[in-house]
Amino acid sequence: EAAVTQSPRNKVAVTGGKVTLSCNQTNNHNNMYWYRQDTGHGLRLIHYSYGAGSTEKGDIPDGYKASRPSQENFSLILELATPSQTSVYFCASGDAGPGTEVFFGKGTRLTVV
Amino acid sequence: GDSVTQTEGLVTLTEGLPVMLNCTYQTIYSNPFLFWYVQHLNESPRLLLKSFTDNKRTEHQGFHATLHKSSSSFHLQKSSAQLSDSALYYCALSAYQGGRALIFGTGTTVSVSP
Repeated sequence: EAAVTQSPRNKVAVTGGKVTLSCNQTNNHNNMYWYRQDTGHGLRLIHYSYGAGSTEKGDIPDGYKASRPSQENFSLILELATPSQTSVYFCASGDAGPGTEVFFGKGTRLTVV
Repeated sequence: GDSVTQTEGLVTLTEGLPVMLNCTYQTIYSNPFLFWYVQHLNESPRLLLKSFTDNKRTEHQGFHATLHKSSSSFHLQKSSAQLSDSALYYCALSAYQGGRALIFGTGTTVSVSP
């Protein structure tokens, strides 16, 4: 079973502060993804990466940055957190190719007050 | 762009009854992959089943779905619901040949009662 580890699992941040969510995968997957999950919206893609050094914008990238310094690590950065970014964030990884399975981490619950 | 539509937000049913969750999609690509992911309470989403082949039934863990390209549909069915089927179900689409990320629907919550 593919292993995707997210940290922290819970985070309370203040409005205007900087937040970094980290993700590590040990399965040598090329692709990594950040989604946020909100009731009524499902899972929405924020940023993704095809490999170390690459990041691509997803469907809702505004207010977020991403960093992929290595094959194993993929971070999501909120430079100026806002209450609208309160959500559950999932990191996922998978091999390249349109039909491959994607494996999710356990999620990070972020509350911006 | 690509999209996935799940019309039911919540499905409530009694144990033992059949369940069907609707999923339709839009894409310009002729060979999409369609997936169903399931997420139990306080867990992360995991793959339930997937399909690429038109008009072929795919089964896993008692659930089944058939990709119909003519109607752009991939409905999930089970003949007899169990209490343990209570969960959030996502339909997802992967269509871009370059391996772009999955596009998820808004999800359907299934609640099975005794």
